[in-house]
Amino acid sequence: QVQLVQSGAEVKKPGSSVKVSCKTSGDTFNNHAVNWVRQAPGRGLEWMGGIVPTVGATDYPQKFRGRVTITADASTSTAYMEVRGLQSDDTAVYYCARKDISVAAYAFDVWGQGTMVTVSS
Amino acid sequence: EIVLTQSPGTLSLSPGEKVTLSCRTSQSVSSAYLAWYQQKPGQAPRLLVYGASNRATGIPDRFSGSGSGTDFSLTITRLEPEDFAVYFCHHYGTTPYTFGQGSRLEI
Repeated sequence: QVQLVQSGAEVKKPGSSVKVSCKTSGDTFNNHAVNWVRQAPGRGLEWMGGIVPTVGATDYPQKFRGRVTITADASTSTAYMEVRGLQSDDTAVYYCARKDISVAAYAFDVWGQGTMVTVSS
Repeated sequence: EIVLTQSPGTLSLSPGEKVTLSCRTSQSVSSAYLAWYQQKPGQAPRLLVYGASNRATGIPDRFSGSGSGTDFSLTITRLEPEDFAVYFCHHYGTTPYTFGQGSRLEI
């Protein structure tokens, strides 16, 4: 059974950075992209970007370009997302989610448990 | 960016009833790239339907998706107690991927 296991909760000061990890177990990175989605308290879902680990290709929405970096280590089947310049409105649960890229119609079928990031002075 | 608008925002229903949730896109999209997720408090979203009408693995057949163009829907027949949750639609055909704001089903 495939699982995505994320790192634990973080509390950060405004202006600092956070790096969240997402380890895939029960499968490899082959034919998959890892996406990151966040959810502010009581709010909806927001796509932050994704990576195809086997080729290192990344994609980000305009809103997060330059502030978010997504990387992956194929040797450990772990993806990472770093967010810089944190502000209070970055307080959210951050999820990683897997997408099978061998079939374009497949959506985000496996999700991590979420990582709560709190930004507070 | 494709904007997804869901309706209704909140719906109060009883177990055994049937419900249809709507998702409208700001421009026509391929039905191949429209998904629905269920989210319960404190949990990650769970994929229900992909490609507008394909149930994900393990999803009961009381859940069904349909639609094309700019109008999509998720129907749940015979609501079970565990179906009371928030439902999101999702477009993943082109980036930036976007989500609807969610529809909440309450008992």
